[in-house]
Amino acid sequence: EVQLVESGGGLVKPGGSLRLSCAASGFTFSSSSMNWVRQAPGKGLEWVSSISSSNGYIYYADSVKGRFTISRDNAKNSLYLQMNSLRAEDTAVYYCSSGLYYFDYWGQGTLVTVSS
Amino acid sequence: EIVMTQSPATLSVSPGERATLSCRASQSVSSNLAWYQQKPGQAPRLLIYGASTRATGIPARFSGSGSGAEFTLTISSLQSEDFAVYYCQQYNNWPPCTFGQGTKLEIK
Repeated sequence: EVQLVESGGGLVKPGGSLRLSCAASGFTFSSSSMNWVRQAPGKGLEWVSSISSSNGYIYYADSVKGRFTISRDNAKNSLYLQMNSLRAEDTAVYYCSSGLYYFDYWGQGTLVTVSS
Repeated sequence: EIVMTQSPATLSVSPGERATLSCRASQSVSSNLAWYQQKPGQAPRLLIYGASTRATGIPARFSGSGSGAEFTLTISSLQSEDFAVYYCQQYNNWPPCTFGQGTKLEIK
């Protein structure tokens, strides 16, 4: 069974930093492209970032470019999102997902709240 | 960036009836379109990719159609568990991929 479990969310002040993690199991993580997708409270889905299986490509949404960094550790079956210079508009549930182009498996999400 | 527009925003349908949800792209996305279902407090679930291919484990009552800029998700006979929010997503011009704003399917 595919499992994606996010952690690391919480309350942070504007300008602060947070690192999200996603632990993967039940599939060949090292062969899978991975993504972060977020959802602001009561809003729709927004793609944030993607990374290929071997770091061959890394992409970011314009809204987070230069502030967020996606990375992965295939030996640990883990995906990460380093978030710096956080803003109120970054408040959202952050989902880890697998897949190339579309998102076939999703974690349950971790809530990030940016507020003073 | 390609803008995805879903209609209607809310659709009220009785159990057992057919539901038809629409998604329009601001330019052609070929068949590079996916549909997701999201229930309250849950993560989205992939239903359809390639505009018409059901994802693993998705019941046959869900079907997708369309190409270019006009797409439809049809649920042939609504079950109680189908009432949720549905999102379309294009991945033709990626990155970025973009989502529609969602259609809420509610019980009539």
